[in-house]
Amino acid sequence: AQRVTQPEKLLSVFKGAPVELKCNYSYSGSPELFWYVQYSRQRLQLLLRHISRESIKGFTADLNKGETSFHLKKPFAQEEDSAMYYCALGRGSTLGRLYFGRGTQLTVWP
Amino acid sequence: DAGVTQSPTHLIKTRGQQVTLRCSPKSGHDTVSWYQQALGQGPQFIFQYYEEEERQRGNFPDRFSGHQFPNYSSELNVNALLLGDSALYLCASSYRQGTYEQYFGPGTRLTVT
Repeated sequence: AQRVTQPEKLLSVFKGAPVELKCNYSYSGSPELFWYVQYSRQRLQLLLRHISRESIKGFTADLNKGETSFHLKKPFAQEEDSAMYYCALGRGSTLGRLYFGRGTQLTVWP
Repeated sequence: DAGVTQSPTHLIKTRGQQVTLRCSPKSGHDTVSWYQQALGQGPQFIFQYYEEEERQRGNFPDRFSGHQFPNYSSELNVNALLLGDSALYLCASSYRQGTYEQYFGPGTRLTVT
């Protein structure tokens, strides 16, 4: 069975500090991994996906198949990064269906 | 383009009642997925509609049913409501069935008393 684990429900850092939001998954096939973000009073939106290997708003995430992880990182956190972050898994056989973790609430203090 | 829209915003129902939630996808999208998000949890997949048919279904009972119309809009119906059905119901749309880049609506908050 597939599962997405985000071990931290809450994460607080100060502005300018590095931040890492952890995500581990269990899936025996070739996964597609995503980070979705929900800012206060906004809807859930896609932040980035592993296949594009891009940096969005200074965030990056590398898929580590050996450790089955897809941690989200940013070297210098900003106050506007405060939001709820969800890691999500897609399987090739279940077209378009996403399996979400429970989310990590990131707070960046000034 | 208003993006994905959902109605109503909030809803309060009594146990045993039935409810219908509505979703209009983003312009140009033809696939609609529904998710249930309980408090403190991530969204959980209910089902997906494409070409007016249910294509995939998550681990939800038959009390949960849906429909997609020719204009790609969709409805989620829940019968015989239980207290545990209280949650935020999210609609997500995408272009083509296998796309993971999904655009979410603001959700409908359902409270069952």
